[in-house]
Amino acid sequence: GNSVTQMEGPVTLSEEAFLTINCTYTATGYPSLFWYVQYPGEGLQLLLKATKADDKGSNKGFEATYRKETTSFHLEKGSVQVSDSAVYFCALSEGGGGSNYKLTFGKGTLLTVNP
Amino acid sequence: GAVVSQHPSRVICKSGTSVKIECRSLDFQATTMFWYRQFPKQSLMLMATSNEGSKATYEQGVEKDKFLINHASLTLSTLTVTSAHPEDSSFYICSAPRQGGGYGYTFGSGTRLTVV
Repeated sequence: GNSVTQMEGPVTLSEEAFLTINCTYTATGYPSLFWYVQYPGEGLQLLLKATKADDKGSNKGFEATYRKETTSFHLEKGSVQVSDSAVYFCALSEGGGGSNYKLTFGKGTLLTVNP
Repeated sequence: GAVVSQHPSRVICKSGTSVKIECRSLDFQATTMFWYRQFPKQSLMLMATSNEGSKATYEQGVEKDKFLINHASLTLSTLTVTSAHPEDSSFYICSAPRQGGGYGYTFGSGTRLTVV
């Protein structure tokens, strides 16, 4: 079956530090890959996505590249801000990522950015 | 747009009682609702998929008689945890596909259930 493994948190950084959250996956087919973010007290929000190998998803300064050869989708940001403090979830969906396909999530990584 | 309102955000109940969790789509019609649960330091696990006007589809290992899902209207889906036990304590989240398909899922803010 499908699975997603992401680095365990919590991760604590100072403002303007470089961020990497590792994510690797196992899938039987050719999944779409996602990063979701959950700010305190809010629902999960789609941060970025990639639907095929070598695609790069990007949003709000965050980037992740779909690496089929290493089955990875690591999240990076060059300079984090206090407002980036949240829980980040890596996820995959088979079947093209359409809205009626199930998402398989990683465990989530809590990021805290200190001023 | 595309907001799912989930209530309550936190609930504490006694063993043996039932708890209802509601998810409402505020500005769109949710024909499908996914229900997830998350144990501490674990992934979000899909429990069931509900479709308006029909029976929910449960994932393997999820007791349908214990986790009752109702999706009677296009804007409301409910999850009722019946005869709750401490092992049911968890974080429950609903999610609905956005209008127009694609990659849009809207999530509720979650319900922290504690059974004492």
